[in-house]
Formats: sequence, structure tokens, C-alpha cells
Amino acid sequence: EIVLTQSPGTLSLSPGERATLSCRASQSVSSSYLAWYQQKPGQAPRLLIYSVSSRATGIPDRFSGSGSGTDFTLTISRLEPEDFAVYYCQQYGNLQVTFGQGTRLEIK
Amino acid sequence: QVQLQESGPGLVKPSGTLSLTCAVSGDSINSNWWSWVRQPPGKGLEWIGEIYHSGSPNYNPSLKSRVTMSLDQSENHFSLNLTSLTAADTAVYYCARLNFNYYYYYMDVWGKGTTVTVSS
Repeated sequence: EIVLTQSPGTLSLSPGERATLSCRASQSVSSSYLAWYQQKPGQAPRLLIYSVSSRATGIPDRFSGSGSGTDFTLTISRLEPEDFAVYYCQQYGNLQVTFGQGTRLEIK
Repeated sequence: QVQLQESGPGLVKPSGTLSLTCAVSGDSINSNWWSWVRQPPGKGLEWIGEIYHSGSPNYNPSLKSRVTMSLDQSENHFSLNLTSLTAADTAVYYCARLNFNYYYYYMDVWGKGTTVTVSS
């Protein structure tokens, strides 16, 4: 099983700032199979990024993804009030799906 | 617009079986892969498994002995059965549409989720 470790656990920033969220895998992940989701309280997860860097339909361009191998990053260039939520990375490999434990992005 | 809606009992007894259905509208059950994900209270997301209209379902190894997923093409829905329930199975259960091929793997449409509590 590929374990995904997200850091930091909690990130405290202000609107307008830049957010950088990390996702590290215990072994190499195919670039086709790394995605990011946003989840707000009481809501289902929402797809943001797939295949490391492709934005899902309707996702603003302030969200971007990068990385390869075992290290991946989700960047939010300028935080909007609606961006404060929990973010999960997800990978598919060896016929299994795993999620990271999540990064909580909170208003400072 | 594709929509998914989970349904099933909100409360099930320990050692019992959970049966959930995900009704799909705006898409054909034969056109995509479909998956189940759950989230225990206050915790992260856990993948349960995925199913396609052809081939065998693929399950999380940690749940494989207790999980069965199936498709009903006539009703355009898919289902999840989870046996031998314990309190650790208490969670919000989500169904999702899965896009999967050589170039990508992602869940782009999700149901709102259904809360399942395992308790006597």
C-alpha cells in the first residue's frame, strides 16, 4: 500500500496569501494517478486537480498542482475566503487507492 | 448534469450487514467506473472499492473479506454491501463517479453522502 503523508496538518493563512500544501508518497506514484480534493464541513469532497496538474472543470486558475515521483504540491496563489477547507491528496497504484490524512487550511 | 444519491439505513446493528444504493441520474451506469468512499466522524477519507460494468470489482484489501459491490443496469444504480459490522464502520458513506484510464484516475462527481451508525 502506498501511504500518502500530507503536511502541514494545519495551515493558518490570511486571505490574499499564497498557500503551499505538500503530499509525500511512501513510494513512487504515477503522474497519471495523483489527484487533489477540497472538502468543506458537511459537504462531499470536490475534485480540484487530477493527473498531478490538470484542473477539474470549473476550478479557478489560482489552484495549481505540481510534482512527480514521491513529492507533490498543491498551490493556491491568492487565497479567497471560500478556499478555507480541508484538502486531501489521493493516489491510485497497485490496484489500490489511498488518500492522505488531509491538510486543514484555516483563516489566520 | 450528473447527480448521485445514496440511500440506505442510517442505523445498523453490530454484526449486521449494511446495504447502500447509489442512484445515478444524467449518466449511464455502463459508461464509467463507480466507487464508494467513507469517512468516519472527524477523520479522513477511506476508499472502499470500485466497479465497472465488465470485469471484477476492486476492493480495499482491508475490507475485501466483508465487501461486495454490484451494478443494476436496469435501475441505473450501483450498490454496496458490507458485512460483520462493528462500531469502526460508523461513517459517512459516499458514492462517486470514477474516471479511469491509462492517463488519469479521479472521482469527479460525488453524492452528498449518507451517515451510517453501527450501534445496538
